[in-house]
Amino acid sequence: GAVVSQHPSRVICKSGTSVKIECRSLDFQATTMFWYRQFPKQSLMLMATSNEGSKATYEQGVEKDKFLINHASLTLSTLTVTSAHPEDSSFYICSAYTGDAFFGQGTRLTVV
Amino acid sequence: QKEVEQNSGPLSVPEGAIASLNCTYSDRGSQSFFWYRQYSGKSPELIMFIYSNGDKEDGRFTAQLNKASQYVSLLIRDSQPSDSATYLCAVWGSWGKLQFGAGTQVVVTP
Repeated sequence: GAVVSQHPSRVICKSGTSVKIECRSLDFQATTMFWYRQFPKQSLMLMATSNEGSKATYEQGVEKDKFLINHASLTLSTLTVTSAHPEDSSFYICSAYTGDAFFGQGTRLTVV
Repeated sequence: QKEVEQNSGPLSVPEGAIASLNCTYSDRGSQSFFWYRQYSGKSPELIMFIYSNGDKEDGRFTAQLNKASQYVSLLIRDSQPSDSATYLCAVWGSWGKLQFGAGTQVVVTP
């Protein structure tokens, strides 16, 4: 299947700092990418839908000013968690959709 | 009402038996349906997708779709301990998003 690369896989940051997570489709172009968050023992919760060249569409309850999404090209979408707090600690996963959905490896964010 | 619903389990299955997983969805306009397997701490991995009513088989896995009843199921034949994981049902709905169910935990016992 198609390969989606997500980086970094793990990050620890101090409260109040910002963290950027990258999601790349390596062997295909993805006009649509999704960002999910998963807390322990819970399912994936859709945060936002990212379309290349346009503003992301955020799900209800997700702060767009806190979770900045940029989809500047057909192969790259980034999620920046701004002014991170401990409650933002979670597993963040991106997915590129091409008819099938392929996932990045996920990023374990720990805010201390 | 949740858009995609699954029994959370855990579903305990003896090794070699058939595991049967169910998923219902609310959007009648949904077009594509996916089953993912997720091991603890890992990203989901695609097992199967199905678009048309009926059965689709791939190795030990069979997906079944019934759009009139708005359900999709996954059968795992000859269950192995390595099949122990959480299985996620995902639906690409008419709203243009891929939504997941809460997942069903499967435990295959030797």
